[in-house]
Amino acid sequence: EPEVTQTPSHQVTQMGQEVILRCVPISNHLYFYWYRQILGQKVEFLVSFYNNEISEKSEIFDDQFSVERPDGSNFTLKIRSTKLEDSAMYFCASSEALRSGYTFGSGTRLTVV
Amino acid sequence: ILNVEQSPQSLHVQEGDSTNFTCSFPSSNFYALHWYRWETAKSPEALFVMTLNGDEKKKGRISATLNTKEGYSYLYIKGSQPEDSATYLCASGGAGNNRKLIWGLGTSLGVNP
Repeated sequence: EPEVTQTPSHQVTQMGQEVILRCVPISNHLYFYWYRQILGQKVEFLVSFYNNEISEKSEIFDDQFSVERPDGSNFTLKIRSTKLEDSAMYFCASSEALRSGYTFGSGTRLTVV
Repeated sequence: ILNVEQSPQSLHVQEGDSTNFTCSFPSSNFYALHWYRWETAKSPEALFVMTLNGDEKKKGRISATLNTKEGYSYLYIKGSQPEDSATYLCASGGAGNNRKLIWGLGTSLGVNP
């Protein structure tokens, strides 16, 4: 069964450093998403991406965040200058259509120290 | 209702029991209601995407109903098994530009053998 793959599975970084979280969505999916979950809190929407551009972003997704689909297969989330409160589980997801269920990757646990 | 609420927050049942939980969501500008199953150390797995009022979907022993006019969905599990132990998340998307999913906190189900 097709999978969304995310790397790395766990990343520890110093506060203020840049991190890039990588995702390979399912190949025939058209919509891509980044979500995060801070421990014990709700899953939070970060950004959606369609047709090579951001279609929607949340208030969390400020200037420190950016997404790219550099080569037609990878979908990356960059955090320019990490803060302690960025520590969370980051999930990438993709879907075939707007009303389709999302397929989630297994997540990247980001720890900012 | 302006948020997605799920109840109960957690429950434990005996193997073989049938159970159900509730998701309440904003009924205005409704677009789609998603149910996901999230096992510990895995990524969320899509169960159902429901769009029509009165919709009922089934997947094995799990089924869900949808009432878009009053803003609720029920998830039913018939004859619970230990492998059903997981957190069940619902998420609702609104119409128009605000199609991003708003997630509930989930219902944590434990099934005792």
